[in-house]
Amino acid sequence: EVQLVESGGGLVKPGGSLRLSCTVSGLNVNDEAMSWVRQAPGKGLEWVGRLRRNTDSGTTDYAEFAKGRFTMSRDSSNNTIYLEMTSLTSEDTGVFYCATDRGFGGYRFWGQGTLVTVSS
Amino acid sequence: DIQLTQSPSSLSASFGDRVTLTCRASQRISKYLNWYLQEPGKPPRLLIYATSTLQSGVPSRFSGSASGTDFTLTISGLQPEDLGTYFCQQTFTVPRTFGQGTKVEV
Repeated sequence: EVQLVESGGGLVKPGGSLRLSCTVSGLNVNDEAMSWVRQAPGKGLEWVGRLRRNTDSGTTDYAEFAKGRFTMSRDSSNNTIYLEMTSLTSEDTGVFYCATDRGFGGYRFWGQGTLVTVSS
Repeated sequence: DIQLTQSPSSLSASFGDRVTLTCRASQRISKYLNWYLQEPGKPPRLLIYATSTLQSGVPSRFSGSASGTDFTLTISGLQPEDLGTYFCQQTFTVPRTFGQGTKVEV
């Protein structure tokens, strides 16, 4: 059974930083492209970024709002991907989901999400 | 960036109704269009990928089609478990983008 479990969310002050984790079981994160998607309270889904599979260079792509502030990475030993976020503002408040990104195959597996609240 | 525009933004239907949701892309995305259903407090669930391929375990009352850059999700006989918000998504290129959602209620 495939499971994605996000963690690391919480309350952070404006200008602060946070690192989210997405621990995967049932799949090898080296063999999957992974994406982060966020959802502000009561709003729609917003793509954050993608980490390509190692065999596809393992590089990253980011939404414009994430460039220069957010960094995705992979830890093969823990089968976990990370989203490092800096210079957070209230506009970053929301639930952050990790998901497998299979391009033509869509986002088949999702985590339950972790809530990030940016407030003073 | 590729924009996806969903219509309607919400709809009210009765159980057993045939329901049609539309997603229009701002440019060509081939068949790289996916549909998700999100229930309150839950992550999205993939229903259809590549325009018309039903994800394993999804009931056959769901179907997807396309005409150019216009994509359609049809539910042939709305069931209680189909209520929620439907999102389309393009995975043709990055940045990936989602439609704004269609809320289906009774």
